[in-house]
Amino acid sequence: DTGVSQDPRHKITKRGQNVTFRCDPISEHNRLYWYRQTLGQGPEFLTYFQNEAQLEKSRLLSDRFSAERPKGSFSTLEIQRTEQGDSAMYLCASSVSASGLYNEQFFGPGTRLTVL
Amino acid sequence: GENVEQHPSTLSVQEGDSAVIKCTYSDSASNYFPWYKQELGKRPQLIIDIRSNVGEKKDQRIAVTLNKTAKHFSLHITETQPEDSAVYFCAATKVGQGAQKLVFGQGTRLTINP
Repeated sequence: DTGVSQDPRHKITKRGQNVTFRCDPISEHNRLYWYRQTLGQGPEFLTYFQNEAQLEKSRLLSDRFSAERPKGSFSTLEIQRTEQGDSAMYLCASSVSASGLYNEQFFGPGTRLTVL
Repeated sequence: GENVEQHPSTLSVQEGDSAVIKCTYSDSASNYFPWYKQELGKRPQLIIDIRSNVGEKKDQRIAVTLNKTAKHFSLHITETQPEDSAVYFCAATKVGQGAQKLVFGQGTRLTINP
């Protein structure tokens, strides 16, 4: 499968624990996005990387959230001291960049987080 | 920032009939409007998109219209089939400016009744 992959697909944790998710974008896609989707809502933008640089973060991304893309390939999203309100589907998407053009964002299958 | 409103939240139509989903956006600088289909438990997938310099685009049974003045765009599905049942999301973004992050509507759950 050459699409965007995410791991794990499901994560159940207790409140206060730390969790880390991984996203592997489509090879050679230099743009990588994280979105959060709660039940019955559309995905909400969290953060964006171009290569290894994190260029934009949403106000939704509190201090407990951190994302990295150390070598410009895979990315990790860590949530520290999880809260019940963090329960959601975390989606990763990737695309190529081209000046002045929009290139389709391809989504991964998501990681569903449940905080008990 | 951009805000996208989507209606209706649920839509049920008879197989073979047409379905229309409508979205409005707030930022007049948005210039690209994709539609995603998300089946239960699966990832969102792009089904059609439209740029702000075009008023209408069609792809087989699916069409999208854009009214820049009114800042709204719509998805039209004709001759609906059971496999069209899914959640549909509209989105808006600004091409050529920064992250090109997608701002999504709340989604429409479409059910096709046989």
